[in-house]
Amino acid sequence: SYELTQPPSVSVSPGQTARITCSGDALPEQYAYWYQQKPGQAPVLVIYKDSERPSGIPERFSGSSSGTTVTLTISGVQAEDEADYYCQSADSSGTYVFGTGTKVTVL
Amino acid sequence: EVQLVESGGGLVQPGGSLRLSCAASGFTFSDHYMDWVRQAPGKGLEWVGRTRNKANSYTTEYAASVKGRFTISRDDSKNSLYLQMNSLKTEDTAVYYCARELGDLGRDYWGQGTLVTVSS
Repeated sequence: SYELTQPPSVSVSPGQTARITCSGDALPEQYAYWYQQKPGQAPVLVIYKDSERPSGIPERFSGSSSGTTVTLTISGVQAEDEADYYCQSADSSGTYVFGTGTKVTVL
Repeated sequence: EVQLVESGGGLVQPGGSLRLSCAASGFTFSDHYMDWVRQAPGKGLEWVGRTRNKANSYTTEYAASVKGRFTISRDDSKNSLYLQMNSLKTEDTAVYYCARELGDLGRDYWGQGTLVTVSS
């Protein structure tokens, strides 16, 4: 089955930049999405169509794509950004899949 | 204000059945695709399946892990989404979320989730 691979954890100091990668063979052909999830809460969409930011999402969140890897970048990380982050995309048949998830810790 | 409220979770024995509901408000429910996503305790998100809208014949798709056991349906007259779960396994234990899908724009609204526990 199709898999999207993320690093289990990323640690970053306040004000620094966090980069979270997501790798998958079908990413060159399928859009990627990023969701933020804080403990006990539902996920929140922070990036859609690889690099678009929904209204209400701070500008410090950005997305990019290169080949089989997409990246979520959080510039000027704040304490409130500490959360789990999941990429999501589709395989060649259109079935959706989430990435393995990355825990972002703000030191 | 868009709201999605799941209900119907609870404790069920392995092999049993359960039907989850998701009540939608604040938007034109009939226009939208809707998804179910689950999260096992302490684990990541797993897409369960989706139903398209009437314009796309209410077609459904499922993850391989639930195909043949779970059925997604909707009642546009009641602004409600359903997940019928049969032949439940212990590994189906999870919080189940419904989410509004905006096609290429992603899943922009999620419910708060309902917990399903499959245990003897």
